[in-house]
Amino acid sequence: AIRMTQSPSSFSASTGDRVTITCRASQDISSYLAWYQQKPGKAPKLLIYAASTLQSGVPSRFSGSGSGTDFSLTISCLQSEDFATYYCQQYYSYPLTFGGGTKVEIK
Amino acid sequence: EVQVVESGGGLVQPGGSLRLSCAASGFTFSNYWMSWVRQAPGKGLEWVANINHGGSEKYYVDSVKGRFTISRDNTKNSLYLQMNSLRAEDTAVYYCARRNGGYDSFDYWGQGTLVTVSS
Repeated sequence: AIRMTQSPSSFSASTGDRVTITCRASQDISSYLAWYQQKPGKAPKLLIYAASTLQSGVPSRFSGSGSGTDFSLTISCLQSEDFATYYCQQYYSYPLTFGGGTKVEIK
Repeated sequence: EVQVVESGGGLVQPGGSLRLSCAASGFTFSNYWMSWVRQAPGKGLEWVANINHGGSEKYYVDSVKGRFTISRDNTKNSLYLQMNSLRAEDTAVYYCARRNGGYDSFDYWGQGTLVTVSS
């Protein structure tokens, strides 16, 4: 199975900050990567797929980049509603696998 | 409006069985692959199973192979997960999710149903 490693596992940031979360795959997954946001007690929400394609309705302050094994999710100007846990997911091959998550907390 | 709503969770003893259901609406169910994804309490997300449009292709994570069966009824716009030989480590919130078109990511999720395996 392809292992997805996210870093950091958590960090604190302030509203207005530019933040970047990284995700590394244990093997080349081309651009078969998605990013999700999850808030406590809620289902995950798809933000980005194909590594850099913004899902319909997702604010443009979210962006994704990378290919191969190294990927990143950037929030250009952190808003209060962005404090949440973020997961990457590869869909290059079965079993589909998620990263361990990155929790973004309020500083 | 696209909606998927899970049901069927609950408390079950180790070794027991449970069947989860997912009712879909707001889209042409038979045009989409569907999935189950779970999340143990306080833990991350784990994909469980996928099924194609017609139900002829199914994929599972190794930890549930031979114990869980994904199925669908397109006449009822419903997805199912039959879970047998349940273990404590199967305790989780189980989400029904729609595959994002041609990509094996998930664009719509239900609210989840909690399965607790405990004696």
